[in-house]
Amino acid sequence: AQKITQTQPGMFVQEKEAVTLDCTYDTSDPSYGLFWYKQPSSGEMIFLIYQGSYDQQNATEGRYSLNFQKARKSANLVISASQLGDSAMYFCAMREEPGNTGKLIFGQGTTLQVKP
Amino acid sequence: DTGVSQDPRHKITKRGQNVTFRCDPISEHNRLYWYRQTLGQGPEFLTYFQNEAQLEKSRLLSDRFSAERPKGSFSTLEIQRTEQGDSAMYLCASSVPTRPYEQYFGPGTRLTVT
Repeated sequence: AQKITQTQPGMFVQEKEAVTLDCTYDTSDPSYGLFWYKQPSSGEMIFLIYQGSYDQQNATEGRYSLNFQKARKSANLVISASQLGDSAMYFCAMREEPGNTGKLIFGQGTTLQVKP
Repeated sequence: DTGVSQDPRHKITKRGQNVTFRCDPISEHNRLYWYRQTLGQGPEFLTYFQNEAQLEKSRLLSDRFSAERPKGSFSTLEIQRTEQGDSAMYLCASSVPTRPYEQYFGPGTRLTVT
């Protein structure tokens, strides 16, 4: 069965510093997609970044980058130059490719607090 | 269109009552997903539609839950005979089949069953 594991319940980072949020996954499918979402206190899930299992390069979106290590089955999110507005819950998720349903399997999340 | 909308944002109900939530996806998105998120956990998939067809339901979706998308536009999620364990955030998301990884979420409906 597919599974996402986020082992850091909470993280602190100083404003303007970089932070890495960990994510490991388990799947037997060769084709899959990995995502990171941000959930502020308002509750809405905001898409941050996507990495396909066959993508050769790590995905980047502005201050967000995904450190994809396929052999280790890890997909860590790196946020550079943290801002106070980055304080939120962050979820790693995986999409099953076979069947193309698009449904996502989420980890338990990591709460990030950015200190001024 | 500014995004996925959900109504209501908050619902408090007494155990045993029925509740219905609505989701309006982004207009050109023909896929619609429902997820449930309990406190401190990640969202869990409940069901999804492609146009008006409900293509998959999770085993989390007991007989008390029903979802519809009658015209392939908005969707409703009804919970009958609510239980305290139904208290959660119910999230709706939409996407297009050609770009299923771009799943856009609504603000959610927070249900509290007393």
